[in-house]
Amino acid sequence: TQLLEQSPQFLSIQEGENLTVYCNSSSVFSSLQWYRQEPGEGPVLLVTVVTGGEVKKLKRLTFQFGDARKDSSLHITAAQTGDTGLYLCAGTWGNMLTFGGGTRLMVKP
Amino acid sequence: ETGVTQTPRHLVMGMTNKKSLKCEQHLGHNAMYWYKQSAKKPLELMFVYSLEERVENNSVPSRFSPECPNSSHLFLHLHTLQPEDSALYLCASSQEGTNTGELFFGEGSRLTVL
Repeated sequence: TQLLEQSPQFLSIQEGENLTVYCNSSSVFSSLQWYRQEPGEGPVLLVTVVTGGEVKKLKRLTFQFGDARKDSSLHITAAQTGDTGLYLCAGTWGNMLTFGGGTRLMVKP
Repeated sequence: ETGVTQTPRHLVMGMTNKKSLKCEQHLGHNAMYWYKQSAKKPLELMFVYSLEERVENNSVPSRFSPECPNSSHLFLHLHTLQPEDSALYLCASSQEGTNTGELFFGEGSRLTVL
């Protein structure tokens, strides 16, 4: 079983602050995805990273895939209240997709 | 029209009831999934239908029974559930063969078992 550990589990910050959340594993993944889930909704795909060392940007969000394809990070610049939600990483290994436990982010006005 | 639609959004049932959750996808995908989301646990894959073939997670109790009549529709039949089965049940779809496993989720059905 491939395990993905996300940290921190919970994060509460003020609007305008920067933050980084992490997704780590001992396994090598062929690709890794980040999803955001807002309260009362299903997860929505934000990005997929495939190549080791890859960096993708989505407005104020920066995603990085580790060189060894075992870990990933999500950095949010100048957080807004609309960024509040559960951030899930999911790694693809063969035909399996494994989810991490998530980071629950609260951005206060 | 949203990509993946789930009904009902909320369901309360007793342990002796029989109910069903429904999922419909409008994305032309050929794989559909049921996930269970409980508090403080990672998303748990329950069932996969890929190219209309069922792939089962052996740890799912038999009181959960999936049905996939075609590539656009997926059901989860519920019978004699336990209170610990209370959770958010998420349906998802994907296009097999992309090698990235990108999933498109519905909004979920919040199940409470009394």
